[in-house]
Amino acid sequence: EVQLVESGGGLVQPGGSLRLSCAASGFIVSSNYMSWVRQAPGKGLEWVSVIYSGGSTYYADFVKGRFTISRDNSKDTLYLQMNSLRAEDTAVYYCARGKTGDQLEYWGQGTLVTVSS
Amino acid sequence: DIQLTQSPSFLSASVGDRVTITCRASQDISHYLAWYQQKPGRAPKLLIYSASTLQSGVPSRFSGSGSGTAFILTIGALQPEDFATYYCQHLDSYPYTFGQGTKLEIK
Repeated sequence: EVQLVESGGGLVQPGGSLRLSCAASGFIVSSNYMSWVRQAPGKGLEWVSVIYSGGSTYYADFVKGRFTISRDNSKDTLYLQMNSLRAEDTAVYYCARGKTGDQLEYWGQGTLVTVSS
Repeated sequence: DIQLTQSPSFLSASVGDRVTITCRASQDISHYLAWYQQKPGRAPKLLIYSASTLQSGVPSRFSGSGSGTAFILTIGALQPEDFATYYCQHLDSYPYTFGQGTKLEIK
């Protein structure tokens, strides 16, 4: 059974850093398209970043240069390193696995990041 | 970047009704569109991909159509569990943006 479990969220001050983790089971992370999507409280979904099986990465403009997506193949874990955090980064962050056409088939339960002083 | 505009943003309907939600893209995205359903406090769920392909396990009352810049999600004979928020997402070129969402409420 495919499962995704995010962790690492919490309260951080503006300008601070946080690393989110997404532990996968039931499949091999490095063989799949993996993505991060976020949702600010009461708002819609925002695509954040993706890493392909070959290692290519892409980012939304609003996180480019501040966030880094990566994976640990030995642990089947996806990461999102978030630096220079801003109040507007406050959101629930979901990791998700894509199908062959990049649509997001499996999702984790999400982890809440709150950026506030 | 490609923008997606959903209409309506809010929709009130009754159990048994047939409803349609439209998603318009700011440029041609061929058939590279997916639809998701999200219930409060839950992760989104994939319903439709490639504009019209039903995801495995999704009831057949859900259907998708369209190509290019105009797409439609149709829910035939609404069930109580269908009241949720629906999002479209394009998969044409990065960034893969979402529509702003359509909240489907019980009348």
